[in-house]
Amino acid sequence: SQQGEEDPQALSIQEGENATMNCSYKTSINNLQWYRQNSGRGLVHLILIRSNEREKHSGRLRVTLDTSKKSSSLLITASRAADTASYFCATDGRGGSNYKLTFGKGTLLTVNP
Amino acid sequence: GAGVSQSPSNKVTEKGKDVELRCDPISGHTALYWYRQSLGQGLEFLIYFQGNSAPDKSGLPSDRFSAERTGGSVSTLTIQRTQQEDSAVYLCASSSYLTLKNIQYFGAGTRLSVL
Repeated sequence: SQQGEEDPQALSIQEGENATMNCSYKTSINNLQWYRQNSGRGLVHLILIRSNEREKHSGRLRVTLDTSKKSSSLLITASRAADTASYFCATDGRGGSNYKLTFGKGTLLTVNP
Repeated sequence: GAGVSQSPSNKVTEKGKDVELRCDPISGHTALYWYRQSLGQGLEFLIYFQGNSAPDKSGLPSDRFSAERTGGSVSTLTIQRTQQEDSAVYLCASSSYLTLKNIQYFGAGTRLSVL
């Protein structure tokens, strides 16, 4: 089974609205990251949150992490058409497996102008 | 170059042929990863290199798949006797262990189509 599972699978909003995507995972983690992918090509790192952090901000991005529920959310405020992309959460494992990121299937965000 | 470079960007091959995919990581990055992404799916981990050694090959789907890394830099992923189910985007990423965070930097990928 996937370590990271995002929901919703697809989200369509109007420009200027906020977009919220969620991620759940199953095992203990060191860090959780969010990545963005345009047009099915390379992924770009957006933000990382450590397991001892609860919330982190970067520009229009806000990430929360609830380790008791093994879940995270990514909020994009004041969305733009250029934010249209797939968004993936990725988790790493504790101890010797921390090199390995496990990605979910992603949320496809469409921002309509 | 400044980023991770992959070549070719697109590869069309006939079933049964061998293919080689190349990845040039960011200079100085000791860790290198290969992933596979099928249409509309997430990333499937294939193999991880630390330097020239591959401590984790657990994601390679069959013995038709192999990878090597030389000089702690360039890596090639080889698929022998390609099958139609091998069609996917193959992504390479690299990261630095100079920090404690495993932030991975991805190439644009190679889109493989097996006819």
